[in-house]
Amino acid sequence: GEDVEQSLFLSVREGDSSVINCTYTDSSSTYLYWYKQEPGAGLQLLTYIFSNMDMKQDQRLTVLLNKKDKHLSLRIADTQTGDSAIYFCAEIQTGANNLFFGTGTRLTVIP
Amino acid sequence: EAQVTQNPRYLITVTGKKLTVTCSQNMNHEYMSWYRQDPGLGLRQIYYSMNVEVTDKGDVPEGYKVSRKEKRNFPLILESPSPNQTSLYFCASSREKSVPYEQYFGPGTRLTVT
Repeated sequence: GEDVEQSLFLSVREGDSSVINCTYTDSSSTYLYWYKQEPGAGLQLLTYIFSNMDMKQDQRLTVLLNKKDKHLSLRIADTQTGDSAIYFCAEIQTGANNLFFGTGTRLTVIP
Repeated sequence: EAQVTQNPRYLITVTGKKLTVTCSQNMNHEYMSWYRQDPGLGLRQIYYSMNVEVTDKGDVPEGYKVSRKEKRNFPLILESPSPNQTSLYFCASSREKSVPYEQYFGPGTRLTVT
């Protein structure tokens, strides 16, 4: 599969902003995704960005894409304890329907 | 309610005893997939199916089989489980050719092979 990398852990204080980073290697990626996995549950799509966009904002979530550096980030504003979860970035390539997932970043929000 | 269901949710078995994990979706999705999740490795795709009677290997297919006889079901079969197949398994589905190819995940099946 393709190489999608994330740091494994991130801790932030409640009310601060969280920034979760992801790097990928395949320049033919068309869509890039952020999925959230809450404890004991499956993955749920949070947001996605098309590869010709630089930024996408959706309420407290901001996705930034640096296509030159193949770097994707997810910023969560005003992080809440309910945001504690594992966040996966994923990519899909042109003509494919297979997602390649990163290792996941476990976000812990400290009250 | 639109959902992907998996059964069982938890399973402890012994090496070599054949098992099947069922997956069913009620969204009339064409695409279905199986992943395994292991610490530090993220999700890795085992098999996927683009439609009925069409299945293909993912990144880690060894030791697994699948079938897609009908659109809603996509069972995962372990003919002779081994301890290295101890993992958390997820089934997912999506409507093919529907951007952004959002995948809907089941709740997961935690398998332990002793």
